[in-house]
Amino acid sequence: EIVMTQSPATLSVSPGERVTLSCRASQSVNSNVAWYQQKPGQAPRLLIYGASSRATGIPARFSGSGSGTEFTLTISSLQSEDLAVYYCQQHYNWPPRYTFGQGTKLEIK
Amino acid sequence: EVQLVESGGGLVQPGGSLRLSCATSGFNISNNYMNWVRQAPGKGLQCVAVVYSGGSTDYADSVKGRFTISRDNSKNTLYLQMNSLRAEDTAVYYCAKVNMAHNGFDHWGQGTLVTVSS
Repeated sequence: EIVMTQSPATLSVSPGERVTLSCRASQSVNSNVAWYQQKPGQAPRLLIYGASSRATGIPARFSGSGSGTEFTLTISSLQSEDLAVYYCQQHYNWPPRYTFGQGTKLEIK
Repeated sequence: EVQLVESGGGLVQPGGSLRLSCATSGFNISNNYMNWVRQAPGKGLQCVAVVYSGGSTDYADSVKGRFTISRDNSKNTLYLQMNSLRAEDTAVYYCAKVNMAHNGFDHWGQGTLVTVSS
C-alpha cells in the first residue's frame, strides 16, 4: 500500500503569510495527487487535483506542485478562512486505491 | 446540482450491524466510482470501500470481510452494510463521488455518525 506522509502535523501561521504544506509518497505516484481542505464540522472540500490543477471555484491563492514522490500545497497569502486541516491523497494504482495523508492543521500564531 | 445525503448512522453495540445509505441526485452513480470515507473522532480520513463504475469493489484491510459496499442504480443510492462492528469503527462516515476526469473526490455528503459502544 502506498503511504502518504504529510509535514508538519501542525503549522502556526499569520494572516497574509505565505504557507507551504508538504506531502511525500512512499513510492512514485506520478501526478496522481489531490489536496483537500476540511474545516471543523464540515466535509472535506477538493482544492487541487492532478497535483497542480485547481478544482472548480477554488481561489487562485491555492496552488499545488510536484510529481513522483514529493508534493506541495501553497497558499500565497493566508486568509483567516483558510484555517483548517489539509489532506493530500493519492490514486496511483489501477483501478485506483485511494489513500490519504494524516493531515496538516493550520492554526493561528 | 449534485447532492449526496447520508443516513443510517447511530449507536450500535459491538458485534452488531448497521446499514448506511447515501441518496444521490444530479448524476448517475452507475457511471462513477463511489467511495465511503470515514473519520474517527479527532483523526484523519480513511477510504474504507469503493465501488467502481463496472461494479467491482475494493475495501480497506481493516474492514474486509465485515463491510459490503453496494449500489441501487434505479434509486441512485449507495449503501454500506457494516457487520461485526467494533469500537474502532466509531467514526463519521462520508460518501464521496469521484470525478471520472481526474479522480478527485469532487462531491461529498455531510456525513453520518456511527458509534459502536456497549
